Amino acid sequence: KNEVEQSPQNLTAQEGEFITINCSYSVGISALHWLQQHPGGGIVSLFMLSSGKKKHGRLIATINIQEKHSSLHITASHPRDSAVYICAVRGPGNQFYFGTGTSLTVIP
Amino acid sequence: EPEVTQTPSHQVTQMGQEVILRCVPISNHLYFYWYRQILGQKVEFLVSFYNNEISEKSEIFDDQFSVERPDGSNFTLKIRSTKLEDSAMYFCASSVGSGYTFGSGTRLTVV
Repeated sequence: KNEVEQSPQNLTAQEGEFITINCSYSVGISALHWLQQHPGGGIVSLFMLSSGKKKHGRLIATINIQEKHSSLHITASHPRDSAVYICAVRGPGNQFYFGTGTSLTVIP
Repeated sequence: EPEVTQTPSHQVTQMGQEVILRCVPISNHLYFYWYRQILGQKVEFLVSFYNNEISEKSEIFDDQFSVERPDGSNFTLKIRSTKLEDSAMYFCASSVGSGYTFGSGTRLTVV
């Protein structure tokens, strides 16, 4: 079973487009993370959320605890945003569960 | 900006051998983690470590795995008798508050 589901799995966008990646989870959580994994494999933590909304530059993350859903938005997308975006949740007992990731390609 | 450092970046080992993967977390961080990612699959949680003891571990983290913070700065993951299916990228991470930082990973290849 997948505690964390992401959609879409793959996404191709034109430079400048507004992008949304969705994450749904089935467990009670204490926090949700959005991570970025580059083609070389390195992982960067973008956001940690437990409620509401956070913004950093062109990235916005929101979470709805009641609906067990989070979204990651990228405004004015750029080719350097091309990466795999991973949703991860800290569940009961501090276990972490990861989504399978959304592979984003932004075309110039 | 402070980094989590992992060494080596790539290790090849024979099946049945012991390996130690090393991590230097960010100095003021309090929580430490190991994750793995088998090629083409999602990241999986292995273990979290706080106050010099394991605070949570997954089903994957069985008796062949152990973690240690031997000297207050390094955080190691030992795999006692490696199997082919242990081949993966292993990531270390550390956190304090909402600050969460991953290392660049160690690619372990078991042959």
